[in-house]
Amino acid sequence: KNQVEQSPQSLIILEGKNCTLQCNYTVSPFSNLRWYKQDTGRGPVSLTIMTFSENTKSNGRYTATLDADTKQSSLHITASQLSDSASYICVVLQGTYKYIFGTGTRLKVLA
Amino acid sequence: DAGVIQSPRHEVTEMGQEVTLRCKPISGHDYLFWYRQTMMRGLELLIYFNNNVPIDDSGMPEDRFSAKMPNASFSTLKIQPSEPRDSAVYFCASSQSAPGSQETQYFGPGTRLLVL
Repeated sequence: KNQVEQSPQSLIILEGKNCTLQCNYTVSPFSNLRWYKQDTGRGPVSLTIMTFSENTKSNGRYTATLDADTKQSSLHITASQLSDSASYICVVLQGTYKYIFGTGTRLKVLA
Repeated sequence: DAGVIQSPRHEVTEMGQEVTLRCKPISGHDYLFWYRQTMMRGLELLIYFNNNVPIDDSGMPEDRFSAKMPNASFSTLKIQPSEPRDSAVYFCASSQSAPGSQETQYFGPGTRLLVL
């Protein structure tokens, strides 16, 4: 079954700390994997997109990794800020047009 | 550009009524996507268009849902008749390139639908 699983479901950290969110997928054929950030009450915003041949990609303080062999991805947030409080959604494209969505990780950054 | 524009932002209706959600994509974007998001099921792709033509509607839940794109700058998602389980946030997104490329999808602010 084609699935995308994210962990943890929720996470609370202190401002300035680092954190890592996980995404495991069982999607075939794999085309690409993207991470979205979604603030409460707003639409998702793309953070990174990675294809099979890419194993790391950064966007400011956000760094995504991809291990196509183990079918795992992670999103690392460095020196967290209050504005990082949001839901983070992992999405895998199966084939040419089928998107498989994770249920997201809800991150709360405390002052 | 103003980004993806959706209307209305909020909609409250009674079961059985027709609901029409509207979307204006970013100018020059050839792909338009309709999503639904609920707490239980997360984000789901309902349908997407390329150059106004529906490409994949396998996510449309049932015949009560229909989507059209009469021109490059306008799309509608219609629910008729609406049911309480249709209550969700509906997002529209657009992109310049095909899903298989490293395209970025730009999401609108969403329409929050409540069916009583």
